[in-house]
Amino acid sequence: EVQLVESGGGLVQPGGSLRLSCAASGFTFSSYSMNWVRQAPGKGLEWVSYSSSSSSTIYYADSVKGRFTISRDNAKNSLYLQMNSLRAEDTAVYYCARDNSGWTGYFDLWGRGTLVTVSS
Amino acid sequence: DIQMTQSPSSLSASVGDRVTITCRASQGISDYLAWFQQKPGKAPKSLIYAASSLQSGVPSKFSGSGSGTDFTLTISSLQPEDFATYYCQQYNTYPLTFGQGTRLEIK
Repeated sequence: EVQLVESGGGLVQPGGSLRLSCAASGFTFSSYSMNWVRQAPGKGLEWVSYSSSSSSTIYYADSVKGRFTISRDNAKNSLYLQMNSLRAEDTAVYYCARDNSGWTGYFDLWGRGTLVTVSS
Repeated sequence: DIQMTQSPSSLSASVGDRVTITCRASQGISDYLAWFQQKPGKAPKSLIYAASSLQSGVPSKFSGSGSGTDFTLTISSLQPEDFATYYCQQYNTYPLTFGQGTRLEIK
């Protein structure tokens, strides 16, 4: 089955760190660019970060630049998001999303998400 | 950044109705526009890409149109499972940006 499964969310104090993982299965992970998208409670969707298939091109939203790092391990079919200096406004469900092979930036597959709560 | 503005923000309709949601970009994005459906507590589901192309497996009751700055999503013959929140998203330029969402409710 083609799927993405996120993990690593939880409760963390402001200023703390957390590492999210996204496990891919059912497709050739190394051939696809990947993204992280988040959604604060009761709010809309916000794109967070992009990694090309080889990690040669990486982008971040201004709201996380300098604090978050996207990475991937194609041998392990996994995408990661290292989140440092966390703030209350980073509280959200974080989704892993696959770029369509023909349309960069269009997400054709989403994971179920993992909840990150930043609170003291 | 490109701002995406959806209208209306919420919409009440009845089963069997046909509804249209509008999305406007703050600058031209050609046809690099996608639509997503999201139900409470669930991940978004991809519906349409390239403004008018249907994602595999999505029923033809969903249709999209537009180019440049103005786009529409039309849903025909509404069924109970169609009541959800819909988002547009531009992928012409990074940072990728979404509309604020349109909540479609049962009248």
